[in-house]
Amino acid sequence: KNEVEQSPQNLTAQEGEFITINCSYSVGISALHWLQQHPGGGIVSLFMLSSGKKKHGRLIATINIQEKHSSLHITASHPRDSAVYICAVTRDSNYQLIWGAGTKLIIKP
Amino acid sequence: SAVISQKPSRDICQRGTSLTIQCQVDSQVTMMFWYRQQPGQSLTLIATANQGSEATYESGFVIDKFPISRPNLTFSTLTVSNMSPEDSSIYLCSVATVARGEKLFFGSGTQLSVL
Repeated sequence: KNEVEQSPQNLTAQEGEFITINCSYSVGISALHWLQQHPGGGIVSLFMLSSGKKKHGRLIATINIQEKHSSLHITASHPRDSAVYICAVTRDSNYQLIWGAGTKLIIKP
Repeated sequence: SAVISQKPSRDICQRGTSLTIQCQVDSQVTMMFWYRQQPGQSLTLIATANQGSEATYESGFVIDKFPISRPNLTFSTLTVSNMSPEDSSIYLCSVATVARGEKLFFGSGTQLSVL
């Protein structure tokens, strides 16, 4: 079993839908990261969480430390949100990451 | 503005040759990471590049195949040596910096194809 599990693997939705991507982990962590990777390889860090909830524009990320679970939500989804969303955790302060397999999101107009 | 400048962005190389990938960071960072992402896969950490000391390699990666240099706190190179088609991947460098809110930053990636 992978230490970081994401679901779903693939998600296709219509523009405007509310999107939820889930991440569960089985190890103790110092932080959890949500990242976005567009076709061509570029990766952007969206959030770093160690507790609670963060919001940036239409993106919301939550984490439940007791349940070892995090969710990334996208409100009013748009085709430009189409990308691979990756959950990754760090176990200590050296920033080495344990990666989820990613969720490929396609938003259709 | 970009935090990390990575180049080349892509290259097509012949079997048996070597390619050096460069990452330049716009501020001093202690640790830089080099990743490989094979087609359809998640990222795999190759090594952690520490300034002033040998890089720390992950299981399955060796210095002879992936030599790394880290001459200062803003620059690192990864060389993919004696390439074979199995080395065709995206290679990315990454840094983490407390000064910018403990966020992670990635280079734009190098798409390598080996013929």
